[in-house]
Amino acid sequence: GESVGLHLPTLSVQEGDNSIINCAYSNSASDYFIWYKQESGKGPQFIIDIRSNMDKRQGQRVTVLLNKTVKHLSLQIAATQPGDSAVYFCADSTEGGSYIPTFGRGTSLIVHP
Amino acid sequence: KAGVTQTPRYLIKTRGQQVTLSCSPISGHRSVSWYQQTPGQGLQFLFEYFSETQRNKGNFPGRFSGRQFSNSRSEMNVSTLELGDSALYLCASSLDRASQPQHFGDGTRLSIL
Repeated sequence: GESVGLHLPTLSVQEGDNSIINCAYSNSASDYFIWYKQESGKGPQFIIDIRSNMDKRQGQRVTVLLNKTVKHLSLQIAATQPGDSAVYFCADSTEGGSYIPTFGRGTSLIVHP
Repeated sequence: KAGVTQTPRYLIKTRGQQVTLSCSPISGHRSVSWYQQTPGQGLQFLFEYFSETQRNKGNFPGRFSGRQFSNSRSEMNVSTLELGDSALYLCASSLDRASQPQHFGDGTRLSIL
């Protein structure tokens, strides 16, 4: 497959471990955040979102934590599987005004069987 | 429900030529956005179309343009191609606005020789 980011931060984990992927944003006005997963040769795929009035949201095997004070969010993946290997992006935007999402550079997650 | 479809998947052009890329959004989605993805710059917003009108534009030169048709299908055009235009071009659709979770196509890989 094609590599979409040759100089990305990389997180290597063993199958079954929990993974934590971090993301910093810079716009203090951002009030909506999304995590996307991009597999090799594919477009990004929505995983989970969170609004700024929450600090935690859980999905299936995934949890997103938001710390607005330090403009940081994280994606936790429980019991990581080889199929989770991909590049993960966070995107922040505002729901009003100029709401175009800004994407982070991405983190490459490699899961070893 | 069919996903976002982008054509062609791969394209090779030479400097100075122009190119048109096509995107068919998910049925019912009226917002269509285009992004350029490169290893060095990550995912960068090009423009968003809604109801056949460009609603937002990123920081790209005027050589990059687009349009949207009444059925929400969209095209983007790049004129006077430069080597630096080599990238993966991604189209994404959402119900009403780009800040909502977007559904991405698998992109068009454009290579400039």
